[in-house]
Amino acid sequence: QVQLLESGGGVVQSGGSLRLSCAASGFTFSTYGMNWVRQAPGKGLQWVAFIQHNGNNIYFADFVKGRLTISRDNSQNTLFLQMNSLTAEDTAIYYCAKDSSGGWLTPKGTFDYWGQGTLVTVSS
Amino acid sequence: QSALTQPASVSGSPGQSITISCTGTSSDVGGYNFVSWYQQHPGKAPKIMIYEVSIRPSGVSDRFSGSKSGNTASLTISGLQAEDEADYYCISYTSRSTVIFGGGTKVTVL
Repeated sequence: QVQLLESGGGVVQSGGSLRLSCAASGFTFSTYGMNWVRQAPGKGLQWVAFIQHNGNNIYFADFVKGRLTISRDNSQNTLFLQMNSLTAEDTAIYYCAKDSSGGWLTPKGTFDYWGQGTLVTVSS
Repeated sequence: QSALTQPASVSGSPGQSITISCTGTSSDVGGYNFVSWYQQHPGKAPKIMIYEVSIRPSGVSDRFSGSKSGNTASLTISGLQAEDEADYYCISYTSRSTVIFGGGTKVTVL
């Protein structure tokens, strides 16, 4: 069965960096676009970034402002999110989410599987 | 870009029908048929309930249905049940090749 397992969250000081990982299994990872979605404590869902199945197309939400990098290693079935210049506003649970259809060039918002999330806390 | 507009809360009695609206613009909801709806119970990951405006994934109850008119998409839950009490989010593709969520709606079963 499909599994997505995020890791790498933790407590980091304001201005610091963190790298999140999402280990995928149970499907052909290299044929599906992947996304990161975050949720601040007690708040709503916020889409963060998308990477096409082959890594050729990448899209970010406006608030990212160049601070985040999304990448993937299809040989290791793993998705990454490198986060730099973190602020308290980045404190959230970060979920990885799989596109429901393979081959999309842009995010479509149709995510059929989600991980359990990893908590990032930025302390000031 | 601002989040899509959803009512903060909607409530209904068991067996009733409720509808959650999701209002955007012609650059997102109104311009594309990539609108999805997610259900999220406390402490859990979201679950897709509707995609491409009105398509229900396998395994999702047929009590859930989606539609769209102009710049507003809607999720209707018929025959409301206690297990439907959760937060619901819409999301739409946008003209900037990104996607944007709604602010979320808390559904309460009275």
